[in-house]
Amino acid sequence: DTGVSQDPRHKITKRGQNVTFRCDPISEHNRLYWYRQTLGQGPEFLTYFQNEAQLEKSRLLSDRFSAERPKGSFSTLEIQRTEQGDSAMYLCASSLEWSTSSTDTQYFGPGTRLTVL
Amino acid sequence: GQNIDQPTEMTATEGAIVQINCTYQTSGFNGLFWYQQHAGEAPTFLSYNVLDGLEEKGRFSSFLSRSKGYSYLLLKELQMKDSASYLCAVDTGGFKTIFGAGTRLFVKA
Repeated sequence: DTGVSQDPRHKITKRGQNVTFRCDPISEHNRLYWYRQTLGQGPEFLTYFQNEAQLEKSRLLSDRFSAERPKGSFSTLEIQRTEQGDSAMYLCASSLEWSTSSTDTQYFGPGTRLTVL
Repeated sequence: GQNIDQPTEMTATEGAIVQINCTYQTSGFNGLFWYQQHAGEAPTFLSYNVLDGLEEKGRFSSFLSRSKGYSYLLLKELQMKDSASYLCAVDTGGFKTIFGAGTRLFVKA
């Protein structure tokens, strides 16, 4: 399967714990995005990488959230000191740059569903 | 501000045609996406409109009017498997895509 993969698919944690999610994009895609989606809502943009550079970060991404893409391939999203409000589906998407002036079609992974107790 | 509006839910009959509307007010606009999302699954790309007009792709068509801030997704010959959420999303430029809350479509026999 050459699509976007995410690990784990489900994570249950206790409030205050740290969690880390991984995303493996489609291999030739140089752009990678993280979104958060809650029930009945569309995905909310969290952050964006062009290769290994984190170029944009939403105000939704508090100091407890950090994302990395060290070698321009896979990415990790870490949430420290989790809160119940962090419970959501965390989606990763990747795209191949064809234009420097517009968004490319994004291909989404299956998501990681986080439940904070 | 950024605002994307679409109906929360729609119901249609198998074999029929349904139109899902989307209006938007965003600080930037490069184009408009439509994605399909089945419950518990990731969104999948349906269409991307940059220019005004209708683009047809099989049973699905998407329309855009940039001057009116309006788009619609047209689904023909509805099938039960089309029951899903349909997300309207605006490419605002700067590589940020803003999604609407989605329209849940129920297709009944």
